[in-house]
Amino acid sequence: GAVVSQHPSRVICKSGTSVKIECRSLDFQATTMFWYRQFPKKSLMLMATSNEGSKATYEQGVEKDKFLINHASLTLSTLTVTSAHPEDSSFYICSAKVGASGGRGKLFFGSGTQLSVL
Amino acid sequence: AQKITQTQPGMFVQEKEAVTLDCTYDTSDPSYGLFWYKQPSSGEMIFLIYQGSYDQQNATEGRYSLNFQKARKSANLVISASQLGDSAMYFCAMRPNYGGATNKLIFGTGTLLAVQP
Repeated sequence: GAVVSQHPSRVICKSGTSVKIECRSLDFQATTMFWYRQFPKKSLMLMATSNEGSKATYEQGVEKDKFLINHASLTLSTLTVTSAHPEDSSFYICSAKVGASGGRGKLFFGSGTQLSVL
Repeated sequence: AQKITQTQPGMFVQEKEAVTLDCTYDTSDPSYGLFWYKQPSSGEMIFLIYQGSYDQQNATEGRYSLNFQKARKSANLVISASQLGDSAMYFCAMRPNYGGATNKLIFGTGTLLAVQP
């Protein structure tokens, strides 16, 4: 299957600092990537859709200024958690779509980033 | 409302036995896609199987099969010959209106499967 690389896998930061998470498609070009957030023992919630060369589309309730998304190339999308606070601590995971247009294109996920804000 | 429901928070199964993980969905879209993902303790999401709403046959991928009952709006995952490495969280997901522009996946709350030796 297609490979999506996410880095770092784990980050611990102080409250008030910013953290950048990278999501790369290694063996394919991804015009669209997705960022999810997962709370412990909870489902994944879509935060935003990242489109190469244009602004990200955020889901309702997600703060655009808090979670900055940049998709500057066909193989890289970044999520920056700005001025992180303890309530931002969570597991963040990206995905990219591979293959056919519409619904048959499969989504492959990165390995996730566990963010802990102290 | 579009929703995925997984009613089994946890399941036990003996090694080499088959297990069925339940998933029901709710959507008013005529076309949609259904997915199952496996999430081991390491956190990554691993794609297992896909079923399109217009597919005539149930999807199969190796030991995984999807029991798709459209009228009941259910998409249960069947794992045959369970292995210890199958122990993980399993998520059912739906992509509504897959012929359209949306790529949003709606996830269920997951089922934690424990395979016992």
